[in-house]
Amino acid sequence: SSELTQDPAVSVALGQTVRITCQGDSLRSYYASWYQQKPGQAPVLVIYGKNNRPSGIPDRFSGSSSGNTASLTITGAQAEDEADYYCNSRDSSGILFGGGTKLTVL
Amino acid sequence: QLQLQESGPGLVKPSETLSLTCTVSGGSISSSSYYWGWIRQPPGKGLEWIGSIYYSGSTYYNPSLKSRVTISVDTSKNQFSLKLSSVTAADTAVYYCARQGEAVAGRGYNWFDPWGQGTLVTVSS
Repeated sequence: SSELTQDPAVSVALGQTVRITCQGDSLRSYYASWYQQKPGQAPVLVIYGKNNRPSGIPDRFSGSSSGNTASLTITGAQAEDEADYYCNSRDSSGILFGGGTKLTVL
Repeated sequence: QLQLQESGPGLVKPSETLSLTCTVSGGSISSSSYYWGWIRQPPGKGLEWIGSIYYSGSTYYNPSLKSRVTISVDTSKNQFSLKLSSVTAADTAVYYCARQGEAVAGRGYNWFDPWGQGTLVTVSS
């Protein structure tokens, strides 16, 4: 079955740019969506499709895709961006989630 | 503003059936534009999609859980429900319900938004 692979942990200095990646065969056919989850809270959608931001999500969040890799970029990371980030996508069997990336803002 | 709220027992015995309901407010579950999904998260671990349902009753499930999962919808109550049978300790998790968008034209994609707050279900005797 298909899988989505994410780096377990990434760090970024305050105000710098960070890219969080998600790899999987399904991403050659489907776009990814991205979620932010803070401790004790439900996930929040931050990017969906090619590069769509829901209302209320800051424009420092953006998405891109190339080959079997989807990326979430945070341009000018803020302290409040420290969280777990999950990608998700479709495949022929249903819906997949990546294992998550813990983002630390230094 | 659309809101979702999970409800159901927080403790289930091994081998029994876990039952949860998601109540949708601020919008209709009969919207033709969306599916409605269940996702779970074991303590300290990642997200796992369980299954999704359309207001018509059409469903699709995670192949790894399909033999134990039933999702149903009650449009008159604006609710959808999850049943997971023969539970074990491995089914202990926070269970979330969420509205699921789908784009199928061209390079498709799906998304979950908004999510309920989640409910912890513990499987233990």
